[in-house]
Amino acid sequence: EIVLTQSPGTLSLSPGERATLSCRASQSVSSSYLAWYQHKPGQAPRLLIYGASSRATGIPDRFSGSGSGTDFTLTISRLEPDDFAVYYCQQYTSSPWTFGQGTKVEIK
Amino acid sequence: QLQLQESGPGLVKPSETLSLTCTVSGGSISSSSYYWGWIRQPPGEGLEWIGSIFYSGSAYYNPSLKSRVTISIDTSKNQFSLKLSSVTAADAAVYYCARESGLGSYYVYWGQGTLVTVSS
Repeated sequence: EIVLTQSPGTLSLSPGERATLSCRASQSVSSSYLAWYQHKPGQAPRLLIYGASSRATGIPDRFSGSGSGTDFTLTISRLEPDDFAVYYCQQYTSSPWTFGQGTKVEIK
Repeated sequence: QLQLQESGPGLVKPSETLSLTCTVSGGSISSSSYYWGWIRQPPGEGLEWIGSIFYSGSAYYNPSLKSRVTISIDTSKNQFSLKLSSVTAADAAVYYCARESGLGSYYVYWGQGTLVTVSS
């Protein structure tokens, strides 16, 4: 199974700042089959990015994804108050589909 | 807009079977070639994929849970279900149902989740 390791565990930033979240895979994620989700307490996870860099429908362009192979990044260019949440990466190149442990983006 | 809603007991006794149902509205569960899945999140932990099922009934599971999991689908009711047998405290979690994208096994539509506690 592919293990995804996200870093940092917590990111303390202020609104307007740039957030850079990392997701590292234990094996190559072929075809960049990697997705990112935003998750807030009591809500369903929200798909942000698929295919490593394609934004899902309705996702603002301040969210961007990049990377290939084993190293992937989610960047939020300018944090807005609504962006403070936990973010998960997920690989879907090899079953079982696996998620990272999450990065919490909190208000500094 | 497609909507998914989980339902089932919020409390299950150890060694018993957890049973949840996901009701799909705003679209037919059998109208397109999508996989429908279950994902869970234990308290304070990350997300874990449990398994997925195709509208035809073909299912596949996370090997870590495969011996205890059954996912089934009822197209007449627009529902799919999860059964997890021999539960322990480690199975306590928020359980989500979700639909894969059709382009890959990532999840576009999710239910709100239902909390299942395991206790006698």
